[in-house]
Amino acid sequence: GAVVSQHPSRVICKSGTSVKIECRSLDFQATTMFWYRQFPKQSLMLMATSNEGSKATYEQGVEKDKFLINHASLTLSTLTVTSAHPEDSSFYICSARDNRGQDTQYFGPGTRLTVL
Amino acid sequence: AQSVTQLGSHVSVSEGALVLLRCNYSSSVPPYLFWYVQYPNQGLQLLLKYTTGATLVKGINGFEAEFKKSETSFHLTKPSAHMSDAAEYFCAVSDAGGGNKLTFGTGTQLKVEL
Repeated sequence: GAVVSQHPSRVICKSGTSVKIECRSLDFQATTMFWYRQFPKQSLMLMATSNEGSKATYEQGVEKDKFLINHASLTLSTLTVTSAHPEDSSFYICSARDNRGQDTQYFGPGTRLTVL
Repeated sequence: AQSVTQLGSHVSVSEGALVLLRCNYSSSVPPYLFWYVQYPNQGLQLLLKYTTGATLVKGINGFEAEFKKSETSFHLTKPSAHMSDAAEYFCAVSDAGGGNKLTFGTGTQLKVEL
């Protein structure tokens, strides 16, 4: 299957700072990427759909000004957690849509964010 | 709106025993159904998916699932559990192809004992 990477894999930051997480599709172009967050022992919750060259679509209840998404190229989407607080600590997972052939989503390995 | 219910947040089986992880869905349109596996601190890996056609779907690592419309179920099975199967399993539903928004169940932690 196709490969999706995330960077960094782990990040610890102080409360009030901003953190950027990158999601890259390594061997295919992705016009659409998705961002999920996962709390311990819980399921993945879709935060937003990232569309190359246009604004992201946020799910209900997700603050667009706090979770900034940029999808500037066909292989890269970034999620910036602005003014992070301890309650933003979570596991953030991205996926990229590969619509060649069978139209499948491939998931990145996730980023563990800890806000002190 | 779509939803997924996974019965049993934890399932424990003996090595070599049958694995059965339950998934029921709710969808107003013909669903696309998926099973993913997640190992600790990793992303999700697709095990198998149902789109259209044959209702019994075979996936990787010996897993299979059967779509039963009358029961709105998509249970995951494996005839003989292996220690390496221990992981978190998520059932998901989409109203379109696998490249579209997914709604996940709450997950089932599978433990395999000697």
